[in-house]
Amino acid sequence: DIVMTQSPDSLAVSLGERTTINCKSSQNVLLPSNNRNYLAWYQQKPGQPPKLLIYWASTRESGVPDRFSGSGSGTDFTLTISNLQAEDVAVYYCQQCYSPPRTFGQGTKLEIK
Amino acid sequence: QVQLQESGPGLVKPSETLSLTCTVSGDSMSGYYWSWIRQSAVERLEWIGRINSGGTTSYNPSLKSRVSISVDTSKNQFSLNLISVAAADTAVYYCARGNVDGDYYFDTWGQGILVPVSS
Repeated sequence: DIVMTQSPDSLAVSLGERTTINCKSSQNVLLPSNNRNYLAWYQQKPGQPPKLLIYWASTRESGVPDRFSGSGSGTDFTLTISNLQAEDVAVYYCQQCYSPPRTFGQGTKLEIK
Repeated sequence: QVQLQESGPGLVKPSETLSLTCTVSGDSMSGYYWSWIRQSAVERLEWIGRINSGGTTSYNPSLKSRVSISVDTSKNQFSLNLISVAAADTAVYYCARGNVDGDYYFDTWGQGILVPVSS
């Protein structure tokens, strides 16, 4: 299985600031034939299911604010949240969709400083 | 807009079978893969398995010997059976829809159902 490792495990950021969450896969998740990275990001608020934010490493899901952006390729990826809002408090997960079984990172808990 | 809702017993005893159903509303099940994913208090999200409307399944090797997933398109439902459960199977169980372009990521999730395993 591909192991997904996120860093940090938790972080506290001030409102309006920019923050990044990292995700590293144990194997490459870039398919050269279509130059697509098989990596998704989710946001999970307390008591709610995960919500898809980004897929193909950098494509925002419909309705997701543009302050959320994804980048990276191969084995190293980043979720960036700009202009942090109170409603962004959540746990964020990355997920590889390159090979079965689909696997998730351990999650990064984002709090307001 | 598609919606998913999990249902099932609120408690399962060790060694028994965990059975859950996911009801899909607002869209047809055709053309998609439908997955079960669980989340325990200490473990990360774990993909259990998936099925499509034609009944083709795929399971996580870590659970394959104990899992079966079935579909009933006439009721717009798919179901999970997990046999011989233990305390480690205590988790919130989610049903989710895979994206239409190949079932790579999960674009719609149910609210989840907590299933404790306890005597």
